[in-house]
Amino acid sequence: AQKITQTQPGMFVQEKEAVTLDCTYDTSDQSYGLFWYKQPSSGEMIFLIYQGSYDEQNATEGRYSLNFQKARKSANLVISASQLGDSAMYFCAMREGLTGTASKLTFGTGTRLQVTL
Amino acid sequence: GAVVSQHPSWVICKSGTSVKIECRSLDFQATTMFWYRQFPKQSLMLMATSNEGSKATYEQGVEKDKFLINHASLTLSTLTVTSAHPEDSSFYICSARTYRGKLGKLFFGSGTQLSVL
Repeated sequence: AQKITQTQPGMFVQEKEAVTLDCTYDTSDQSYGLFWYKQPSSGEMIFLIYQGSYDEQNATEGRYSLNFQKARKSANLVISASQLGDSAMYFCAMREGLTGTASKLTFGTGTRLQVTL
Repeated sequence: GAVVSQHPSWVICKSGTSVKIECRSLDFQATTMFWYRQFPKQSLMLMATSNEGSKATYEQGVEKDKFLINHASLTLSTLTVTSAHPEDSSFYICSARTYRGKLGKLFFGSGTQLSVL
């Protein structure tokens, strides 16, 4: 079974509008972390936001917020006031276990966001 | 913020030659680094986890003798693609873990596009 599911292969949003990118996850761990990364056409991976499974508040970082619904196992990314520079591939990722060794991430298949004028 | 430098950013090589990719953490010590591979328009797939001073842990299906990983210091990990073939052409990206700031934050290098002729 997929551990991270991003059901939207592509999304369009108009400049200055808000957009929600969906992410659901599957884990039996009680402790885990959820991440969102942005990958522009240049290929680099840019960290956007992090949510720990025990965090009571939804994470926010500037225009990015994470709508964390633990019971539904969803961690949707909300981008407010979209800008043309937000056009990129967005990946949701999960790390199972908050402490310990490898901290390896499992990535979703990504959502390509296109911001239009 | 933490920076991970990856070099080279792109490389073209002949089939049968070996290619070395370097990943450096510039302003922090990375006890663990990760190597990913990404095919066009697909997600990142973890290849191996590299721990300083010990042998790398490879994911299932990744050939250890083909993808040699060395993590000789706390700031440097290298991936060597040995006897490269056209099917090894891909985008390779490393990441390093730091404990500074929020627990579990990973920083990525800018990636290396490998083209094997």
